[in-house]
Amino acid sequence: AQSVTQLDSQVPVFEEAPVELRCNYSSSVSVYLFWYVQYPNQGLQLLLKYLSGSTLVESINGFEAEFNKSQTSFHLRKPSVHISDTAEYFCAVSDSGGSYIPTFGRGTSLIVHP
Amino acid sequence: GAVVSQHPSWVICKSGTSVKIECRSLDFQATTMFWYRQFPKQSLMLMATSNEGSKATYEQGVEKDKFLINHASLTLSTLTVTSAHPEDSSFYICSARWTRNTEAFFGQGTRLTVV
Repeated sequence: AQSVTQLDSQVPVFEEAPVELRCNYSSSVSVYLFWYVQYPNQGLQLLLKYLSGSTLVESINGFEAEFNKSQTSFHLRKPSVHISDTAEYFCAVSDSGGSYIPTFGRGTSLIVHP
Repeated sequence: GAVVSQHPSWVICKSGTSVKIECRSLDFQATTMFWYRQFPKQSLMLMATSNEGSKATYEQGVEKDKFLINHASLTLSTLTVTSAHPEDSSFYICSARWTRNTEAFFGQGTRLTVV
């Protein structure tokens, strides 16, 4: 079984400032890692994922996350945020062995202030 | 990416009635579909996993007679909340994937309010 811990329930930040949303996971097997974004009253959209290979993965809108196996972390970062990045962000983990059922963290609310 | 459509986006129903939520994969065949429930400011709670043509597998604590899941085709799964009560009010989200795909695609969610 896997579990995901998102330490920060809410992260306020000013526009154009950098941000890091933290995610730690635990698992006894190899995993895939995901970050999803959810806007109010909408479903989840995949932001980026780590399956294998390079530990640094990037999204098209400037977010990046780095898989750190030794620290069992997959923190999400963006060097300069926009007002439109205000949303709920979920980290998720699934086993790489075949079931692929994601387990979600509790979410981090990113609030970007002008 | 692949598209999953959920309908309706929101529904209000009277206590004691049943309501059906549809989840469709529009451009792929979904061998597996997942149903989640999300309470305000909380994470997604997996309710059940369904494979096309098979009975759904419910997570512990989820009443299978109350939350009826049907996955009769490779593009459609339905969740029926039977004899709904106000405590069933929530945001319900489906997701779907095809065999051996590592990623599941999410519908836009359904806001259910029981009055």
